[in-house]
Amino acid sequence: GEDVEQSLFLSVREGDSSVINCTYTDSSSTYLYWYKQEPGAGLQLLTYIFSNMDMKQDQRLTVLLNKKDKHLSLRIADTQTGDSAIYFCAESGSITSGTYKYIFGTGTRLKVLA
Amino acid sequence: KAGVTQTPRYLIKTRGQQVTLSCSPISGHRSVSWYQQTPGQGLQFLFEYFSETQRNKGNFPGRFSGRQFSNSRSEMNVSTLELGDSALYLCASSLMQNSGANVLTFGAGSRLTVL
Repeated sequence: GEDVEQSLFLSVREGDSSVINCTYTDSSSTYLYWYKQEPGAGLQLLTYIFSNMDMKQDQRLTVLLNKKDKHLSLRIADTQTGDSAIYFCAESGSITSGTYKYIFGTGTRLKVLA
Repeated sequence: KAGVTQTPRYLIKTRGQQVTLSCSPISGHRSVSWYQQTPGQGLQFLFEYFSETQRNKGNFPGRFSGRQFSNSRSEMNVSTLELGDSALYLCASSLMQNSGANVLTFGAGSRLTVL
């Protein structure tokens, strides 16, 4: 069945880079997303990547996609204490194909140490 | 532009009661999805509505139901509450991007505690 897996915890020092990893099983996924959840809040979209791309950069964020291995990663450069949150990986099809159902990963809790 | 609004933010119920949660999507968004978030199970998809029709449904018992109104506002109902229904219930509305991606905008959630 469809499944998205992430490691549960990651701890880094302020100023270092953080790399959060995700593996998924549905090879028909069209889009892969990263969402961030801060305490007491809902999820907020960080970025997404189309499945025919292998990299996307957006300011401090770099997304790498290895479609062959079904592996997605999110790199946060110069990690700040404000980046401490839970990060969710998610996959979906495309609305135009009708397979737009989301599958979320378990979430990775990132703790940034000052 | 107002975000996704969920009410109530917090509520406490006892076993056997029923609860109704409300979600007002971003203006112009016609799709509304509901998720249950618990520490043990993570984010679990409940259902999705589009133009007043349930388009997708997750693996939850029939005690969980929902509906969407003509103004795209949505409600979900849980009947005969159980202790295990204690969770953060998240609503998300979406609008298809020009790229075809289905980007979700989440509300802050309704935290339900069942005693």
